Amino acid sequence: EPEVTQTPSHQVTQMGQEVILRCVPISNHLYFYWYRQILGQKVEFLVSFYNNEISEKSEIFDDQFSVERPDGSNFTLKIRSTKLEDSAMYFCASSEGARVAQHFGDGTRLSIL
Amino acid sequence: AQSVTQPDIHITVSEGASLELRCNYSYGATPYLFWYVQSPGQGLQLLLKYFSGDTLVQGIKGFEAEFKRSQSSFNLRKPSVHWSDAAEYFCAVGANQAGTALIFGKGTTLSVSS
Repeated sequence: EPEVTQTPSHQVTQMGQEVILRCVPISNHLYFYWYRQILGQKVEFLVSFYNNEISEKSEIFDDQFSVERPDGSNFTLKIRSTKLEDSAMYFCASSEGARVAQHFGDGTRLSIL
Repeated sequence: AQSVTQPDIHITVSEGASLELRCNYSYGATPYLFWYVQSPGQGLQLLLKYFSGDTLVQGIKGFEAEFKRSQSSFNLRKPSVHWSDAAEYFCAVGANQAGTALIFGKGTTLSVSS
């Protein structure tokens, strides 16, 4: 069964540094998403991406964050000038369309020191 | 604002016993609803979804859920729990007309005793 893959599984970064989290969505999917889960808290929506542009973003997704689909297969989340509170599990997801099931990757655990 | 409430943080069930995990949502329009399961170190796996039609939906691994509009609930059930069902379970609602954001509950951790 096709799946969403995320790399790396764990990323450790110094505060203030930039980090890029990578995702390969399911190949025939058109919508891509990033969510995060701070330890002990609920999964939170960050951003959705369709047709090479942001479809929707949450209040969390401020100017520190950006997304990109640099080629036909990858989908990335960039966090500039990381802060301690950015430490979380970041999940990528994809779906065939809107208002349908989203399929999640295993996540990247981001630790900011 | 849309929200999802899972009242039970942690539930322990004996193996072979039945299970019901509660989920209540707040959403103005007709919701579309999901249950996901997360095993330790794993991503979120879709168990089942409700968009419209029959209010009792069947999912994978023997799970089912019933949508009750009058109670704003979407409870997950399984008639006989297996030890491998121990995991964290998340209820989610599609949050907007565009359909591109999911709002999750805080999750319920299921432990299975032998």
